[in-house]
Amino acid sequence: GQQLNQSPQSMFIQEGEDVSMNCTSSSIFNTWLWYKQDPGEGPVLLIALYKAGELTSNGRLTAQFGITRKDSFLNISASIPSDVGIYFCAGRPGTYKYIFGTGTRLKVLA
Amino acid sequence: DGGITQSPKYLFRKEGQNVTLSCEQNLNHDAMYWYRQDPGQGLRLIYYSQIVNDFQKGDIAEGYSVSREKKESFPLTVTSAQKNPTAFYLCASSMGSGRYNEQFFGPGTRLTVL
Repeated sequence: GQQLNQSPQSMFIQEGEDVSMNCTSSSIFNTWLWYKQDPGEGPVLLIALYKAGELTSNGRLTAQFGITRKDSFLNISASIPSDVGIYFCAGRPGTYKYIFGTGTRLKVLA
Repeated sequence: DGGITQSPKYLFRKEGQNVTLSCEQNLNHDAMYWYRQDPGQGLRLIYYSQIVNDFQKGDIAEGYSVSREKKESFPLTVTSAQKNPTAFYLCASSMGSGRYNEQFFGPGTRLTVL
């Protein structure tokens, strides 16, 4: 099955730094979702995007729906230790099914 | 509280045995999904159901079966035909096909075949 290209695969950052990650696809999507997953737990929805160019914030998190509808970006400002985890993007090309990225593993150094 | 429950959290199975994973939601969602996650990997779709008494194969349905007899429940059976069943299994649900159709996930079941 198709998967999104998500980058970077992993990153180490210092506490207080800003983080950026993105997802790209060869297909056009009508919805983008961003999730965070802690070890041994289910993914938790962070941000949902529905329109090309849309920019949405959730606290220190900001995500954007790319103009081409083939990409999306997630930024985390002023990272803290609890930001550690795996971040997934998911895109919806049709009605029911989502396609998931392979994840960005974030590690924050205090 | 509304949400998705999966049970059990950890499951051990002997090779050659079938095992059923439970997924229940009280969000009144029409659509439900099963995903498999392997270490360091993304989520792969096993089966999904848009409505009661209807379901479709996902990308990796071989060796799995599902039923959708009630709106709230979508159990997944891992059969002995599944060659490599050890994995983390995630159930999700969504309202349906509308524009605002976010998927919400349960806590997952970790299956280990001994």
